[in-house]
Amino acid sequence: NAGVTQTPKFQVLKTGQSMTLQCAQDMNHNSMYWYRQDPGMGLRLIYYSASEGTTDKGEVPNGYNVSRLNKREFSLRLESAAPSQTSVYFCASSTSYYVSGANVLTFGAGSRLTVL
Amino acid sequence: AQSVSQHNHHVILSEAASLELGCNYSYGGTVNLFWYVQYPGQHLQLLLKYFSGDPLVKGIKGFEAEFIKSKFSFNLRKPSVQWSDTAEYFCAVKDTDKLIFGTGTRLQVFP
Repeated sequence: NAGVTQTPKFQVLKTGQSMTLQCAQDMNHNSMYWYRQDPGMGLRLIYYSASEGTTDKGEVPNGYNVSRLNKREFSLRLESAAPSQTSVYFCASSTSYYVSGANVLTFGAGSRLTVL
Repeated sequence: AQSVSQHNHHVILSEAASLELGCNYSYGGTVNLFWYVQYPGQHLQLLLKYFSGDPLVKGIKGFEAEFIKSKFSFNLRKPSVQWSDTAEYFCAVKDTDKLIFGTGTRLQVFP
């Protein structure tokens, strides 16, 4: 079982370039999430998809777009990268928020993005 | 919306010392609370969780946390830390259909 797989692991971009971070899970989870981790700020939710076919903004959605391609895959796109988007990005998934006790996140290994 | 506060940003301990990391959430009602750990260079892993029932929750690697409703707190404890506990620890609370994380506490344990 691979769990949650993120690609790429590392990426360097120039300001204004675009890129997509890919995330896939093989646990048949319904909900998927994108967080960014910055020193002293913990993890902040960018976007999430509570179920296939839905996406919602989190705490810091500006500058990002997401696509829930199917139940397994949830991608995060930076249309025009800015230095403020330099961060470590984590994808996560969970079974469902609608089932009590099932609200545990499984995280991917992270993608370190640097925007110059 | 829920929020989480972790007041200890950086904790330094010697091996065998006792640990308590603070976590407070913003408002009451039914809460789901979590502690996650991130070892150096690794992704986050679940340490323990609280949904209901016994307010003293036991997790992996000898960690435990106590849910105190009257204090809006969910502090993480370990009686005797080891060097391998060096990591960053995050408290999190469920807010409707998502998790909100605290800013994290970096724990350094010296032999």
